[in-house]
Amino acid sequence: GENVEQHPSTLSVQEGDSAVIKCTYSDSASNYFPWYKQELGKGPQLIIDIRSNVGEKKDQRIAVTLNKTAKHFSLHITETQPEDSAVYFCAARWGGTASKLTFGTGTRLQVTL
Amino acid sequence: ETGVTQTPRHLVMGMTNKKSLKCEQHLGHNAMYWYKQSAKKPLELMFVYSLEERVENNSVPSRFSPECPNSSHLFLHLHTLQPEDSALYLCASSQALRGDYGYTFGSGTRLTVV
Repeated sequence: GENVEQHPSTLSVQEGDSAVIKCTYSDSASNYFPWYKQELGKGPQLIIDIRSNVGEKKDQRIAVTLNKTAKHFSLHITETQPEDSAVYFCAARWGGTASKLTFGTGTRLQVTL
Repeated sequence: ETGVTQTPRHLVMGMTNKKSLKCEQHLGHNAMYWYKQSAKKPLELMFVYSLEERVENNSVPSRFSPECPNSSHLFLHLHTLQPEDSALYLCASSQALRGDYGYTFGSGTRLTVV
């Protein structure tokens, strides 16, 4: 299987600043790396993803970078807003035809005014 | 209704009870999953159902029993649970066989075993 480590576990930033969350994975065969945002009382929601043949992907204020050699990937949020406050999870896909994801332990992001 | 719907949202059960969690997806996806989310632990894959395979996490106790009667419905049957089974149980679906690997999660069932 796959092992995913995520850091930091908590992150506090001021509104307007940038936030960066980092993950490492163990299985070099993993080829898909999504990021999920989970708000209180809700299930995780996919916010951005990247495949192993791409080094960077952006969607408005969020971006993800992937370093296959080092087996790590990062989520970057710019111009943070209070509504960005949530728990963020990284994941890596492994094995077989179905999309089996192994998740990191999550980062609680708090955006303060 | 659209997306992934889980019922019930909350469940309190005694250790000798039998109950079932239900998940329904209206997205036309071809794979469905059960994950367990406990405090301060990663989301743990319990079961996967797709057209080509069923996958079980060997560490999941037999008191959890999945059922997938068709590609839109997934159940998790519970019996003689333990207090440590209290957690948020999340259902997800994906269109994995077409190369769309991202999950759509339901809102989860918050299970408390007393």
